[in-house]
This record gives sequence, structure tokens and C-alpha cells, in this order.
Amino acid sequence: DAKTTQPTSMDCAEGRAANLPCNHSTISGNEYVYWYRQIHSQGPQYIIHGLKNNETNEMASLIITEDRKSSTLILPHATLRDTAVYYCIVRVPLSGTYKYIFGTGTRLKVLA
Amino acid sequence: GAGVSQSPRYKVAKRGQDVALRCDPISGHVSLFWYQQALGQGPEFLTYFQNEAQLDKSGLPSDRFFAERPEGSVSTLKIQRTQQEDSAVYLCASSSERRPRLAGEVYNEQFFGPGTRLTVL
Repeated sequence: DAKTTQPTSMDCAEGRAANLPCNHSTISGNEYVYWYRQIHSQGPQYIIHGLKNNETNEMASLIITEDRKSSTLILPHATLRDTAVYYCIVRVPLSGTYKYIFGTGTRLKVLA
Repeated sequence: GAGVSQSPRYKVAKRGQDVALRCDPISGHVSLFWYQQALGQGPEFLTYFQNEAQLDKSGLPSDRFFAERPEGSVSTLKIQRTQQEDSAVYLCASSSERRPRLAGEVYNEQFFGPGTRLTVL
């Protein structure tokens, strides 16, 4: 039932941009893409979301391809505290609200 | 403000025991979700409450799993006759369903608790 695929792990040098890809080729037209991250022993935390336009906030940027089959989360200047598992999520309708369908996540390690 | 809290943080059970996991959502949040996260995997949806009504339980893996939210706030996930395959982190999330009013608010954002790690021996 998984709707997203992500690389299992990535390394990034501290201070450099981290680009985390996600494939969601079966996404439907009204389904949003969300990104959360999970630091060890904590619950997932919201980063950013989008439908079809590129989005930016104080944490990250989200680039969504025109056909919406893939997206990239960009952390512009990675720090050691960005080491975490990053989940690409498709939000799908559920009984008047929405549920999240998580991928298996990318374990990002930021190296000093 | 206070976020979503869960208790206990860790639970060890012998196979066949019943367990109860508690979730305290953010005050005033209408929606409450339970997810199961196996080791090395992403969370998987179990069930959803809108106030006290359980509107979807399609993700519950067996009839040994039961969830309730009797007063529309605190929720309990109960697992009867635990099996080793039930070992996982159980995450609770809540959402306000309110249209954003303040800068930075995200509609339908789910706020997650720290989870309960259940180990069945």
C-alpha cells in the first residue's frame, strides 16, 4: 500500500545542502505530499507540505515535479542537529479528515 | 504549550498478557490517530477518532486490538493476548481540524507523541 519510495540512507556534510528525493508515482491529483522527520526516540515532527507548487518555509524547501510523480526536500544548510530519519508522506482522505501514508524513510546523517 | 503525551514510554509484556497504552492529545484537538511503527519502518495507520467516535479502524491488525476515546479527549489502545509480532512503537497523533488562523499554522497537521515502545517476550 506504500505510496512513496525513498533511499534508505544519505550522508551530508555540515553546512552543505541536503537534497532528499522521494518518488510518489501513484499519487492522485488531490493528495498532498508532506515531509516529517523523526529524531531517535521521539515522534515524527512536521517539516513542510505541498500539492503542486514549490514551497519554502524557515526549515526547508520542497520541490515537486510538474507531473507530481516525485519531489525533493531541501535542507539548505544542514547542521548536526538535522541528523534524523526523514519521511515522505502522502496524505489521503479518511472519513472526513486525512490519514498519512508513510514511506520507509531516509536516514540522513550530517557529518562534521 | 503541552504537546501530545503518551504513557508508558516503555512496556515489556509476556506473550499472552493484555496491555493498555494511553494517549493524551493536545487540548481541544478533535482528531486522534494511532499508528504502529515496526523497527526500521515508517509508521502505519491503525485507527482514527473524531471526538469520541471511532470513524475508522481499518488498520487494526486483528480483533485483539481495541481502541477507545470515551470522552473525546484521552484515548487508550488495548492489545489483548499480546504476541511477539505486536512488538513495535505505538504512536498517537492529534489534529485540530481548524482552519489556520495564525501564521505558521498548518491545516490538518498531525502532532505526534513520543510513542510507547512495546516489547513482547
